[in-house]
Amino acid sequence: EVQLVQSGAEVKKPGESLKISCKGSGYSFTNYWIAWVRQMPGEGLEWMGIISPGNYDTRYSPSFQGQVTITADTSINTAYLQWSSLKASDTAIYYCARRILPSYSRSGGWFDPWGQGTLVTVSS
Amino acid sequence: QSALTQPASVSGSPGQSITIACTGTSSDVGGYQYVSWYQHHPGKAPKLMIYDVTHRPSGVSNRFSGSKSGNTASLTISGLQAEDEADYYCSSYTGSDTLWVFGGGTKLTVL
Repeated sequence: EVQLVQSGAEVKKPGESLKISCKGSGYSFTNYWIAWVRQMPGEGLEWMGIISPGNYDTRYSPSFQGQVTITADTSINTAYLQWSSLKASDTAIYYCARRILPSYSRSGGWFDPWGQGTLVTVSS
Repeated sequence: QSALTQPASVSGSPGQSITIACTGTSSDVGGYQYVSWYQHHPGKAPKLMIYDVTHRPSGVSNRFSGSKSGNTASLTISGLQAEDEADYYCSSYTGSDTLWVFGGGTKLTVL
């Protein structure tokens, strides 16, 4: 079974650093890009960025560029999303999702499956 | 890149059909076939329901169907069931710096 399992909920203070994880299993981890998606309280989904574990090529939404860092460790089939200095506005649920590239194209695609989400709470 | 526009809520009775619209621009929904729909029960992982505008993944009920006209994509659920009650999000590839955009989500209530 293809699945993505994310790390558990975190409670942090403003200014602290954090790294959350997303472990893939049931497929060749290096063959599929992994995206990160934010859901702020009561809001919709926002695409943050994406990484290719195969060559570590990483793209960020302009809204998140410089605010977070996306990395991957292929030795343990895990992608990461990290912050160096959290803000209260980073409070949200963060999802990872595997990108499926259509067989007929080198761009585009959709996301399947998704991780169960990691709740990050930043509060003083 | 602005989020795609979806109605905040829709409702229907068991057995009825509902349609959720997702409006974007020629730079996203109207410009690409990469429109997908996700079902999200709060507290669980979002689930892919439709990809490439009209295609259903294996295991997804044929009560779910997708379409697109111009800059607006639609998700139709026929024969509503209680288990369909969830939040639904559309998404489109954009090809711009923000490679993908999502809709604001639609809460489906089965009366």
